[in-house]
Amino acid sequence: AAGVIQSPRHLIKEKRETATLKCYPIPRHDTVYWYQQGPGQDPQFLISFYEKMQSDKGSIPDRFSAQQFSDYHSELNMSSLELGDSALYFCASSPTPREGTEAFFGQGTRLTVV
Amino acid sequence: RKEVEQDPGPFNVPEGATVAFNCTYSNSASQSFFWYRQDCRKEPKLLMSVYSSGNEDGRFTAQLNRASQYISLLIRDSKLSDSATYLCVVNMGSGGYNKLIFGAGTRLAVHP
Repeated sequence: AAGVIQSPRHLIKEKRETATLKCYPIPRHDTVYWYQQGPGQDPQFLISFYEKMQSDKGSIPDRFSAQQFSDYHSELNMSSLELGDSALYFCASSPTPREGTEAFFGQGTRLTVV
Repeated sequence: RKEVEQDPGPFNVPEGATVAFNCTYSNSASQSFFWYRQDCRKEPKLLMSVYSSGNEDGRFTAQLNRASQYISLLIRDSKLSDSATYLCVVNMGSGGYNKLIFGAGTRLAVHP
């Protein structure tokens, strides 16, 4: 069965650079979530999209932006990177709420800022 | 106060033991609840949904207490392969949107 695909799997950037993370949800899933997980921490909700519109916003810094495209894939854009942005970034997708609420995660993108 | 709280552990138990985790949540309007399992440096994977009537899947039993706003996970006959972090997840979305909030996770270490 198709799963959530994230790319790249690993990314190394320097401070003040920009990064773009991509997420391809499970087919027919119209909700996408982004989470940030620092070392030894629980996943922190950043932002979510439903039907290509932002549906909720969590602790996402102003330096970050995200969008969901017409094919439902999503991109997380991170600018002016800081050392503290080093983390695992997970994308998850779920079907429309009336069809279910479980979310399924991609394998994550490990971002290292040096 | 965090929206979803768990005892971080670690819980160190021998094989064959029974272990239980609890999780409390702050939003009384929350409608759906889950337990996810996360292995080191891997993505969280859905272990089971938690239903009002309680549900069981093999050695795993999940229960929900809406009045006290907590959910629990019971693991019977622990296996070495059960060693992982167990994340309590509560859907606090409203208006037709999902918003999954994670607890900090409870670490379980099963030893021979």
